[in-house]
Amino acid sequence: KAGVTQTPRYLIKTRGQQVTLSCSPISGHRSVSWYQQTPGQGLQFLFEYFSETQRNKGNFPGRFSGRQFSNSRSEMNVSTLELGDSALYLCASSAETGEAFFGQGTRLTVV
Amino acid sequence: EDQVTQSPEALRLQEGESSSLNCSYTVSGLRGLFWYRQDPGKGPEFLFTLYSAGEEKEKERLKATLTKKESFLHITAPKPEDSATYLCAPGHGGATNKLIFGTGTLLAVQP
Repeated sequence: KAGVTQTPRYLIKTRGQQVTLSCSPISGHRSVSWYQQTPGQGLQFLFEYFSETQRNKGNFPGRFSGRQFSNSRSEMNVSTLELGDSALYLCASSAETGEAFFGQGTRLTVV
Repeated sequence: EDQVTQSPEALRLQEGESSSLNCSYTVSGLRGLFWYRQDPGKGPEFLFTLYSAGEEKEKERLKATLTKKESFLHITAPKPEDSATYLCAPGHGGATNKLIFGTGTLLAVQP
């Protein structure tokens, strides 16, 4: 059974640019959540999508957005990048039991 | 407000020296308590889910236990390959798979 796939694995962007990250969940999982991980703040919840609808949202500015497609694949977008957006972005795929399985993450560096 | 505190922040053990990691939490409507292991530069790897006080689960040298306000991860006779960051994440109540992560315990096991 394939795990959670995140692409790309690494990105370098310039301040002010925008970026789109992709996540393919485990087959059959309808819930996809996104987290930001930084050394200072740890893992922080961005948002969750379930059956193409945003079900929950964390405390992040509107520059962070996401969507989910009918095949459960999800994308997150960050607009007007700031240096502080440099982080490991993690996607988690959840089944009905609630157990979340993570991808390897996308390492975003903003210069 | 939801809070998760893990202690100690860092722990250094000799191979074979058993110890315990602590996770204290205050989360409204707890929907399971999840333990993960994370290696540097990788996504968290799922270890256990505990749903009710008194529940215990074991996997190789690891055993997780749960009370109403705390969870413990006991490591028996650890090996160097157990070195990693261990993350505790209570699941938020309601119709969501949102996890609230602690900052983790960095475990180093020396041969």
